[in-house]
Amino acid sequence: DVKVTQSSRYLVKRTGEKVFLECVQDMDHENMFWYRQDPGLGLRLIYFSYDVKMKEKGDIPEGYSVSREKKERFSLILESASTNQTSMYLCASSPGGVTNEKLFFGSGTQLSVL
Amino acid sequence: AQTVTQSQPEMSVQEAETVTLSCTYDTSENNYYLFWYKQPPSRQMILVIRQEAYKQQNATENRFSVNFQKAAKSFSLKISDSQLGDTAMYFCAFGAQGGSEKLVFGKGTKLTVNP
Repeated sequence: DVKVTQSSRYLVKRTGEKVFLECVQDMDHENMFWYRQDPGLGLRLIYFSYDVKMKEKGDIPEGYSVSREKKERFSLILESASTNQTSMYLCASSPGGVTNEKLFFGSGTQLSVL
Repeated sequence: AQTVTQSQPEMSVQEAETVTLSCTYDTSENNYYLFWYKQPPSRQMILVIRQEAYKQQNATENRFSVNFQKAAKSFSLKISDSQLGDTAMYFCAFGAQGGSEKLVFGKGTKLTVNP
């Protein structure tokens, strides 16, 4: 089975800190995604990547950046964390070359910014 | 831009009964895919069912089936013989064919199955 691993299940950071959320998948998937999940708002796409060193903005990229130096790893970076970035962050991956194949999700990182 | 609407924030059902979760979407695309994802308390999102818009036949996966009405842009999920393990958040999602692989999600429906 595909495994998508997010490095932290819970994370508490201070306002202004630089925060790294790490995601690793073990099935050689081309596509990787970062979503943010908030109650009453569902999942919103922050960034996604089709390939190593490639990235594209999603619907809410402001305040975030990403890095994909290796195919299996996709990092989400909060350059200067703010309280409105307190949220659940979900990483997902999918194989390339097949339109809208299903997404495989990690278990999420609940980030609290104080 | 595509939108996905789930009008039922919360629902409950008795064990062994049938429940239907509603989803409507708005798009100008003709070729697309629709999904239902389940997020149990463990937070791991898993795919429940997938429907290609060009297929008229409704998708079925064991106790889960959909009622896909393309003209009405409606995509409801029916869960038969509800089980306690079905308790979860359910998200409807839309993906356009040939575009970027990203999905647009609804806001979710929290389903509770009562013993």
